[in-house]
Amino acid sequence: ILNVEQSPQSLHVQEGDSTNFTCSFPSSNFYALHWYRWETAKSPEALFVMTLNGDEKKKGRISATLNTKEGYSYLYIKGSQPEDSATYLCASRMDSSYKLIFGSGTRLLVRP
Amino acid sequence: NAGVTQTPKFRILKIGQSMTLQCTQDMNHNYMYWYRQDPGMGLKLIYYSVGAGITDKGEVPNGYNVSRSTTEDFPLRLELAAPSQTSVYFCASSSFPWDEQYFGPGTRLTVT
Repeated sequence: ILNVEQSPQSLHVQEGDSTNFTCSFPSSNFYALHWYRWETAKSPEALFVMTLNGDEKKKGRISATLNTKEGYSYLYIKGSQPEDSATYLCASRMDSSYKLIFGSGTRLLVRP
Repeated sequence: NAGVTQTPKFRILKIGQSMTLQCTQDMNHNYMYWYRQDPGMGLKLIYYSVGAGITDKGEVPNGYNVSRSTTEDFPLRLELAAPSQTSVYFCASSSFPWDEQYFGPGTRLTVT
């Protein structure tokens, strides 16, 4: 059974704070790691798809790193804004399976 | 492009009733997926399809059926609704299995 764990479960920060959260996944047979941003009352939207150990991706103030050997990925948000408030999901894909296994998400609330 | 569309947005079913959740995408994606999302849990894969005429089970297929007669449509059928099927259902699609997935707006289903 493949488990993807995310921590913390929820996070409250002040506007302007930088923050980060963790996604842990089994490192054996790793194929890809996805990050999604999910705003309330909307559908999840892709942030990054990462495949290579040591990979780093960046989109504006949001960046992510990947360590496939130890089985974790970090998502960083620099200078959080209220519009960053959302649930951030990670999902892991093993081998060449078509299936994504999702974590339960980190719910971020940015206070103005 | 409308992307991925789902109907209905909300539905209340009585135990034992049947219904079909509709999903359509206009991006010519071969890969389509059905997920359910329960409170505090990650998205769980119900069924997926790699192209018209080809479907396969995900993590939680019991109580559901799918078909894929066209590239665009991937309906999910509940034959005998049970309270355990109360959930939010998301349909998603992707160009390739390693690509980011595009999600529909979701269907909130309550079985009482």
